[in-house]
Amino acid sequence: GAVVSQHPSRVICKSGTSVKIECRSLDFQATTMFWYRQFPKQSLMLMATSNEGSKATYEQGVEKDKFLINHASLTLSTLTVTSAHPEDSSFYICSARLRETMNTEAFFGQGTRLTVV
Amino acid sequence: AQSVAQPEDQVNVAEGNPLTVKCTYSVSGNPYLFWYVQYPNRGLQFLLKYITGDNLVKGSYGFEAEFNKSQTSFHLKKPSALVSDSALYFCAVRDMTDYKLSFGAGTTVTVRA
Repeated sequence: GAVVSQHPSRVICKSGTSVKIECRSLDFQATTMFWYRQFPKQSLMLMATSNEGSKATYEQGVEKDKFLINHASLTLSTLTVTSAHPEDSSFYICSARLRETMNTEAFFGQGTRLTVV
Repeated sequence: AQSVAQPEDQVNVAEGNPLTVKCTYSVSGNPYLFWYVQYPNRGLQFLLKYITGDNLVKGSYGFEAEFNKSQTSFHLKKPSALVSDSALYFCAVRDMTDYKLSFGAGTTVTVRA
């Protein structure tokens, strides 16, 4: 299957600082990537859809100014958590689709464990 | 709107016994259905999918799932579970017109030796 690489896998930052998480499709081009947030022992919540060359589409209740998404190329999307606070501590996961057809599965990155202290 | 229900938070089985993880779904049109597995502090790994065709779908690591349209179910099965199958399993659904996946709450599978 296709490989999606997410970096870093773990990050600890101080409250008030910003953290950038990268999501790369290693062997394919992805015009659309998705960012999820997962709380302990809970399901994945879609935060936003990242579109190459255009603005991201955020889900209801997700602060676009706090969670900045940039999809500058067909293989890279970044999520920046700005002015992070302890309540932003979570597991963040990205995914990408191999081809822009409806019947393909999404491939997921390894996830990033963010801890804000 | 689309949604997925995984009625069991936990499933416990002995190694070598059959494993079933339940999933029911709701979509407005024809569903695309997926199963993913997640190990601790890792992303999701794709197991199998149903798009169209045979109701019985075979996937990775010996897993299979049966699509039942009348019961709107897509249960995951494995004839003989391994200890290494212990993980968190997610069912997901998407309808034909939307790229967004809706996930179930997840089912923790524990296979004891």
